[in-house]
Amino acid sequence: QQQVKQSPQSLIVQKGGISIINCAYENTAFDYFPWYQQFPGKGPALLIAIRPDVSEKKEGRFTISFNKSAKQFSLHIMDSQPGDSATYFCAAGLPGGYQKVTFGIGTKLQVIP
Amino acid sequence: KAGVTQTPRYLIKTRGQQVTLSCSPISGHRSVSWYQQTPGQGLQFLFEYFSETQRNKGNFPGRFSGRQFSNSRSEMNVSTLELGDSALYLCASSLDRANEQFFGPGTRLTVL
Repeated sequence: QQQVKQSPQSLIVQKGGISIINCAYENTAFDYFPWYQQFPGKGPALLIAIRPDVSEKKEGRFTISFNKSAKQFSLHIMDSQPGDSATYFCAAGLPGGYQKVTFGIGTKLQVIP
Repeated sequence: KAGVTQTPRYLIKTRGQQVTLSCSPISGHRSVSWYQQTPGQGLQFLFEYFSETQRNKGNFPGRFSGRQFSNSRSEMNVSTLELGDSALYLCASSLDRANEQFFGPGTRLTVL
């Protein structure tokens, strides 16, 4: 049962472009939505996270947009750089224990010069 | 501050054997979680330990078990290994159960 659906599974963007990754969830009890970035040979690293009481959160070139009524959230990477090439995971967590998060399948992003 | 440490980094076992993986959390962190990462299933939660007690468990068979010691270090054990257990096993630690978790580099387990 895939509680967090992520798309696309792969994405190629030109340098300077905008990368957009979308996620949708089923369980309305989720109240913590982190995004992770993973480079080959490394563990996932927290990029940015959002709670349902906020519709948008921006950190540098990374922005999360959250639509509670549609049960969707997305990651936008502005001015994408080759160094952003990595696998990105959205995730969702339940209140009371953000250590048990449910991950999306992942999006492999390639930023080409 | 040192990050999450996992040992060993790579491991090769044969079917039917058992394996123990180790995780040392970031100093001061008391919560440790384990995840299995495979190309087909992605990242799946195994279990979480806090103050030496299992707080959450994922949907894995009883062959997968874990424990946490008083210094917050954690181990996970997989008995009677199957080919499908080949995966990257990731450990993550957090200060407590309400804070973000930091992942280690993982242990790559190959079952032949």
